[in-house]
Amino acid sequence: GAVVSQHPSRVICKSGTSVKIECRSLDFQATTMFWYRQFPKQSLMLMATSNEGSKATYEQGVEKDKFLINHASLTLSTLTVTSAHPEDSSFYICSTLGRESGGMANIQYFGAGTRLSVL
Amino acid sequence: ILNVEQSPQSLHVQEGDSTNFTCSFPSSNFYALHWYRWETAKSPEALFVMTLNGDEKKKGRISATLNTKEGYSYLYIKGSQPEDSATYLCALGTTDSWGKLQFGAGTQVVVTP
Repeated sequence: GAVVSQHPSRVICKSGTSVKIECRSLDFQATTMFWYRQFPKQSLMLMATSNEGSKATYEQGVEKDKFLINHASLTLSTLTVTSAHPEDSSFYICSTLGRESGGMANIQYFGAGTRLSVL
Repeated sequence: ILNVEQSPQSLHVQEGDSTNFTCSFPSSNFYALHWYRWETAKSPEALFVMTLNGDEKKKGRISATLNTKEGYSYLYIKGSQPEDSATYLCALGTTDSWGKLQFGAGTQVVVTP
């Protein structure tokens, strides 16, 4: 299966600063990537779908000016949390859309996630 | 937002015991049901993708069944081992949400020696 690297794994920042999270597909050309957010004891919530070379598609209720997504190459998508505030503290995780090993079904390959803490 | 429910939220299992847990989902517009295994500090790893009603898939000691008509899937772990400790996520794909998945909150499994 595909290998997805997400960096950083943890970041602590002051309120008002911007934080960039990178998601790299190491061995696979990722046309489509997804960004999720997870609050404690809740499910992964899709924030946006990132397509290489075009604007990201945001889910309802997700502020596109707050969460800037750039997918300029087939191996890299970035999520920038702009002017972060304590309520943005959460776990953010990316995935790429790929093909199941030895099969035909589409599956998602995930990074290990980023824990953001805004002070 | 689709309601994908997993139960129980967590369970503790003695090493060697078998266990199972549930994922329930709305059956309309069903396309695929995914199971992922997520160990702490690692990436979620795909276990199964199931698309057909009555499907049963197996990977080692772990297996899963699917009932699309009533909207549920079971995941079974036979002879649990400490390395099976993880959070197991199910995720629903529908015919009107290409590529996108709606995740359940997961079942956390702790296997004690």
